[in-house]
Amino acid sequence: SSELTQDPAVSVALGQTVRITCQGDSLRSYYASWYQQKPGQAPVLVIYGKNNRPSGIPDRFSGSSSGNTASLTITGAQAEDEADYYCNSRDSSGNPVFGGGTKLTVL
Amino acid sequence: QVQLQESGPGLVKPSQTLSLTCTVSGGSISSGDYYWSWIRQPPGKGLEWIGYIYYSGSTYYNPSLKSRVTISVDTSKNQFSLKLSSVTAADTAVYYCASGTDYDYGNWFDPWGQGTLVTVSS
Repeated sequence: SSELTQDPAVSVALGQTVRITCQGDSLRSYYASWYQQKPGQAPVLVIYGKNNRPSGIPDRFSGSSSGNTASLTITGAQAEDEADYYCNSRDSSGNPVFGGGTKLTVL
Repeated sequence: QVQLQESGPGLVKPSQTLSLTCTVSGGSISSGDYYWSWIRQPPGKGLEWIGYIYYSGSTYYNPSLKSRVTISVDTSKNQFSLKLSSVTAADTAVYYCASGTDYDYGNWFDPWGQGTLVTVSS
């Protein structure tokens, strides 16, 4: 089992705001990174560090952290945001680890 | 901009060794900026970090796979490779190579290769 816990599924109405969370003890010490994966495609980095977006990622994606919980927020969700989202950080040994993933449905 | 591309057999027999290569283009694998990584995803499941290698040859492996994994780098070809021995059906997955960045405040993987499906079956 992963040391990072995500809700398996979340839904949001088109144009509304949704928060996807990731819980784990390592998040008290390290920032999470977040990946979007659409069916049949490789994951794409959307947030890294404190709250950084790679070039080409829309500014409706943002990241935050509090205690042992990291959050990915999509403000004004679009139909194309429907995807699986994974968080990534480190485990108790310092090795990279991924959360189990959250399936986002845009209604 | 760095791009990565996986290559290797799509079918491996049980108990044999899975071998994949990742070719890096648009940048030098010796630049020292990245940890060159392998990550896999079984069909319908989540992502699992396998390990990574620094251009100097230093390696870091997932403890759950460490006894079966070898990652190597060929700087002359701008490639790095994965070998996973004694495979079983549980090793069937899409295998991704990715460039990893590791700081004291966190880590991330970007970009990723397109992935290659490896099926373990007789």
